[in-house]
Amino acid sequence: EAGVTQFPSHSVIEKGQTVTLRCDPISGHDNLYWYRRVMGKEIKFLLHFVKESKQDESGMPNNRFLAERTGGTYSTLKVQPAELEDSGVYFCASSALGTSTDTQYFGPGTRLTVL
Amino acid sequence: QKEVEQNSGPLSVPEGAIASLNCTYSDRVSQSFFWYRQYSGKSPELIMSIYSNGDKEDGRFTAQLNKASQYVSLLIRDSQPSDSATYLCAVGTGTASKLTFGTGTRLQVTL
Repeated sequence: EAGVTQFPSHSVIEKGQTVTLRCDPISGHDNLYWYRRVMGKEIKFLLHFVKESKQDESGMPNNRFLAERTGGTYSTLKVQPAELEDSGVYFCASSALGTSTDTQYFGPGTRLTVL
Repeated sequence: QKEVEQNSGPLSVPEGAIASLNCTYSDRVSQSFFWYRQYSGKSPELIMSIYSNGDKEDGRFTAQLNKASQYVSLLIRDSQPSDSATYLCAVGTGTASKLTFGTGTRLQVTL
């Protein structure tokens, strides 16, 4: 079974540009999460999808971040316009719906550098 | 006060010894507790989950939870050089809830 995949693995952009990150969850996983790790800090929650609906977006830092999950499958996270403080590693995780445990499986992350 | 606190380390233990990693959390309604291992540049990999007070063992790993003290720990027996990594403590407040992470403890197992 394929794990969570993310694309690209690295992205270097200039301040003011737009970047779109993609996450493909484990097949059949209805829960999809985005997290971010800024250098030197802990991994922090951004938002949670259940299927195509946003369940919790309390961690989104501001309206420059837009997340979508088309048809409840893959998800994209767009940053527009990017700022220097957006640099970090963006992780996606997924978990199955309706199980007694809630193990989240993480993807390899996208390292975003804003210059 | 951070929501999930871990000693950043590095924690250095000799090969074959027991490594003890600790984590405290502040939210009393937390219900699920996880230990992830992360090698440099790689994704966090789940190694243990625990939901009830007490000990849970899986191979060389034992997770311990004490909700009254808001404390969760991970013991690694017979530590191997391949165990050298950053160990992340993560806490959830319910089924499928977001996870709150600590900053991680870097473990070094020396030969």
